[in-house]
Formats: sequence, structure tokens, C-alpha cells
Amino acid sequence: DAGVTQSPTHLIKTRGQQVTLRCSPKSGHDTVSWYQQALGQGPQFIFQYYEEEERQRGNFPDRFSGHQFPNYSSELNVNALLLGDSALYLCASSSTGVNGGYTFGSGTRLTVV
Amino acid sequence: KQEVTQIPAALSVPEGENLVLNCSFTDSAIYNLQWFRQDPGKGLTSLLLIQSSQREQTSGRLNASLDKSSGRSTLYIAASQPGDSATYLCAVRPNYGQNFVFGPGTRLSVLP
Repeated sequence: DAGVTQSPTHLIKTRGQQVTLRCSPKSGHDTVSWYQQALGQGPQFIFQYYEEEERQRGNFPDRFSGHQFPNYSSELNVNALLLGDSALYLCASSSTGVNGGYTFGSGTRLTVV
Repeated sequence: KQEVTQIPAALSVPEGENLVLNCSFTDSAIYNLQWFRQDPGKGLTSLLLIQSSQREQTSGRLNASLDKSSGRSTLYIAASQPGDSATYLCAVRPNYGQNFVFGPGTRLSVLP
């Protein structure tokens, strides 16, 4: 049973560029959440997608946007990249109505130069 | 607003020791609490999930307890091994409709 898969694993972008990160949830999961983890800190919630709609959003600017597809996979898009966007981006999947635990992917390491 | 803290920030112990990691949260009205392990530069691995109605969960050498009234959870690791070296994160879900709020983590080093 495949867990949560994220791509790419590493990415280097230039300030001002745009980036798209991808996530495939664990089989049987229908909800995808995205987190940003800066070095030495705990993950910070960006947003959550369910039924192809953004259901919740954390304290992140509109430069951060996302999408969920009918097969439950998801994308995170970041526009106008800033140096401060450099972080590990984690995707977590869960199943609505089931005990509420999350399964995390290995993350995408984004470096903005 | 729910806030989560973890003490200590870092811990170094010799192999074989039993140890306790602490997690505190400010709002006792929670849905559940989950402990994760994170190896350097890697994603999060779920260790234990405790529902708000539960007092503790056990998996192998790991035991996590939850005391909602005091806003505390502890992760007990028995007979620590060098392979336990990692960062341990505590995350609280305020209610079913909300996402996890994470603590900053405890960085554990188990020396051979």
C-alpha cells in the first residue's frame, strides 16, 4: 500500500519565479493538507483540500494557492517566490470520518536563491 | 488560539536509558494528539495517535499519555537505542474541523 508521495524531492528556484509541488495521497484517503516547515521549526499549516475545494487555510498570503484533482491528488503553487519561502513543504493525507490521524509524505525541499 | 510547546528542545542520552519527552498545549479542548518522528531532512513518521477520550497509547517501546485537563502529553521511550535519534514532534488537533498545530520538536540524540 503506497503511502503519500511527493514530487519533486528537491527544487532550486530563483526569487520571483513560480513553483508547483505535487502530492499523491495514501490509498483510501480523500483529504490533503499542506504544511511549510522552516529549518529548526515545527510544520506550519498552509491549507487543506477536500472534494476539490479549499476547506481551510492557515496564515499564508495569496501567493500560495492549491488544487485538488478528482483522483484526490493535489498541487501547491507558490508565485513570486521570496527567499523566505525556502523550506521543506510537507503534504499530509487523511480520510474523512476516520480517526483523524494524518499520514505525511517525505516532503519537497525548496530552495529560493 | 492553540499553542504547542515541547520541552526539552534537545536531549542527549546514553544508549539504554529510559526517557520522557514533554508536550504542552494551551487549550485543553482538543480532538486528538499525534506524536511524530522526523529524521533530518525527511518527512514525518507517525508514532502514536491519542484520541481525546483516551489516556494513553502504546506501540513497542513507545508509550504516549494524554492529560487534557492539564494540557499535557508525554512520550516515553524505553531502552533507548542509537536508531531512536531523531526529532520528535507533538501535534494537537483542536477539533475535527481543524488541522494539526505542531510544537517545535525535541531533538534526541542517543549515544552508543
